[in-house]
Amino acid sequence: GQSLEQPSEVTAVEGAIVQINCTYQTSGFYGLSWYQQHDGGAPTFLSYNGLDGLEETGRFSSFLSRSDSYGYLLLQELQMKDSASYFCAVNTNAGKSTFGDGTTLTVKP
Amino acid sequence: DTGVSQDPRHKITKRGQNVTFRCDPISEHNRLYWYRQTLGQGPEFLTYFQNEAQLEKSRLLSDRFSAERPKGSFSTLEIQRTEQGDSAMYLCASSRSDSMGQPQHFGDGTRLSIL
Repeated sequence: GQSLEQPSEVTAVEGAIVQINCTYQTSGFYGLSWYQQHDGGAPTFLSYNGLDGLEETGRFSSFLSRSDSYGYLLLQELQMKDSASYFCAVNTNAGKSTFGDGTTLTVKP
Repeated sequence: DTGVSQDPRHKITKRGQNVTFRCDPISEHNRLYWYRQTLGQGPEFLTYFQNEAQLEKSRLLSDRFSAERPKGSFSTLEIQRTEQGDSAMYLCASSRSDSMGQPQHFGDGTRLSIL
């Protein structure tokens, strides 16, 4: 089966940089995705890594090391609106996606 | 692009009743996913379709849960003989099928409450 681990909570101040780690165990690994979900809202896609290395999208970057079964999401220049839950999700080559339990990010002024 | 649409937004029903939810994906997306999410947890994979073919499903869908996508467009998720533990948010998502790494676009979900 699949399992993912990510921290349950992270707190940071406006303007800071925060890194949310994700480790996974899976068979048929294809790639790692990151989603953001605000309270009461639907998950929205942030980033995807299919190959090792860093992907940058504006203030958000994501990293993958397939050999270490590890990835992270990096959020820079934090804003209050970034307070949300962040999920890593493993995509398998069978098409299934398994999500972690999420990391609640609280951004303080 | 009108987004993924789910209906109803909320459903309250008594234990033992059957419920059916509908999902309309983004029109050019041929992959459709169903998830269940409870408070403090990530979305739990239930099943996914490529066009009308159901290609992968969790063990949950072998019992009281069933999903269909008869014409490869909208999909329905049915829960028979509902139990209190079925109370959750049911999320639908769709994506293109160019690769397994395509982003999934989620609907706002159907919140099910079992009395």
